[in-house]
Amino acid sequence: DTAVSQTPKYLVTQMGNDKSIKCEQNLGHDTMYWYKQDSKKFLKIMFSYNNKELIINETVPNRFSPKSPDKAHLNLHINSLELGDSAVYFCASSPRVRGNTIYFGEGSWLTVV
Amino acid sequence: QQQVKQSPQSLIVQKGGIPIINCAYENTAFDYFPWYQQFPGKGPALLIAIRPDVSEKKEGRFTISFNKSAKQFSLHIMDSQPGDSATYFCAASKQGGSEKLVFGKGTKLTVNP
Repeated sequence: DTAVSQTPKYLVTQMGNDKSIKCEQNLGHDTMYWYKQDSKKFLKIMFSYNNKELIINETVPNRFSPKSPDKAHLNLHINSLELGDSAVYFCASSPRVRGNTIYFGEGSWLTVV
Repeated sequence: QQQVKQSPQSLIVQKGGIPIINCAYENTAFDYFPWYQQFPGKGPALLIAIRPDVSEKKEGRFTISFNKSAKQFSLHIMDSQPGDSATYFCAASKQGGSEKLVFGKGTKLTVNP
């Protein structure tokens, strides 16, 4: 069973389109995240939710909007896609206890053409 | 502002060698220092982690050395194998919270047969 699963794995779309990436975790964790990994492999946090509540919102364009219908799901919607949005987006989760292990999904490869 | 500086950016060793990856941090409030391993096409996965109350932690062939006064920590891989070829990320967070784990920029390790 995949602990953190995200779909789609690959996404190729044109500039200006709107797209969503879905994420689900079956670990019972309270905290979920979206990370962006650019072409240089740099991992940067975008958002963090705890029990459906937004707790971290890094400097991310308003075109990116996370939605957490319940604590097991955190979806990412991106409006008006730009070439610079091309990256790998990782969903992740962690328990709200000391230990701090973050469990990552396998990533969604977004290519904007 | 880069809070965790990681070096080198890439590293090539022969099988059996001992690659060493170094990280330095700035925030003395950091109290949790994990290393993540990422294989191509996969998400990062926790490899080993250390807290500042110990100077060394070993798990199998992987060892973290921690120098609190120098604000540095490093990953050593003993008897490295081609299967260890991956990108390694150091990270740090404070107050035992996982909400904002700060990552280094990663080291691409290649272990030649």
